[in-house]
Amino acid sequence: QSALTQPPSASGSPGQSVTISCTGTSSDVGAYSYVSWYQQHPGKAPKLMIYEVNKRPSGVPDRFSGSKSGNTASLTVSGLQAMDEADYYCTSYAGSNNYVFGTGTKVTVL
Amino acid sequence: QVQLQESGPGLVKPSETLSLTCTVSGGSISSNYWSWIRQPPGKGLEWIGYMSYSATSNYNPSLKSRVTISLHTSENQFSLKLTSVTAADTAVYYCTRGRPILLDSWGQGTLVTVSS
Repeated sequence: QSALTQPPSASGSPGQSVTISCTGTSSDVGAYSYVSWYQQHPGKAPKLMIYEVNKRPSGVPDRFSGSKSGNTASLTVSGLQAMDEADYYCTSYAGSNNYVFGTGTKVTVL
Repeated sequence: QVQLQESGPGLVKPSETLSLTCTVSGGSISSNYWSWIRQPPGKGLEWIGYMSYSATSNYNPSLKSRVTISLHTSENQFSLKLTSVTAADTAVYYCTRGRPILLDSWGQGTLVTVSS
């Protein structure tokens, strides 16, 4: 299976919002409500931010939200803060016990 | 809270077998799913596979012929074996709890370099 497509980079000023897209196909993102998002700071392990399209694990600020439309999922970070500068990866269930990650997006806080 | 720690050789020769162990503390591996994820230097994440508490395993189709994940319940550990490695297998390897759509705990990662 092919990796989900994310923009290489996204940016915003403190306090603004940034939205990252994650485009798959009708066999993965479009077929299931099992899309997750991970945040990864340099040299660190990824951290789960969103699961099942729009659910936040305990401890994740409500500034992070997820959505999905058709074959594209999105992560929105509102009220951007310096600590949000990181790489973000989406992942989706792809059927038949398979999973696929996105290509990753580097978010820069200007 | 559960903590995970990878261990194993940081250097493996081409064509040999990469072997890593993940030690779990603060929780039992006799529940949940346990996965391995890798990340080549400067690149994105790749799901390797997972094993469930009931010993059901599932692997990335692109790696399936070379991968084995095992649970060692008495030691509260799980392991990864990847055979016939090449330079393309050089990566940071993470052990995690859960399946790729819900990986809620991660080890710090260990860099494995494939080189002669």
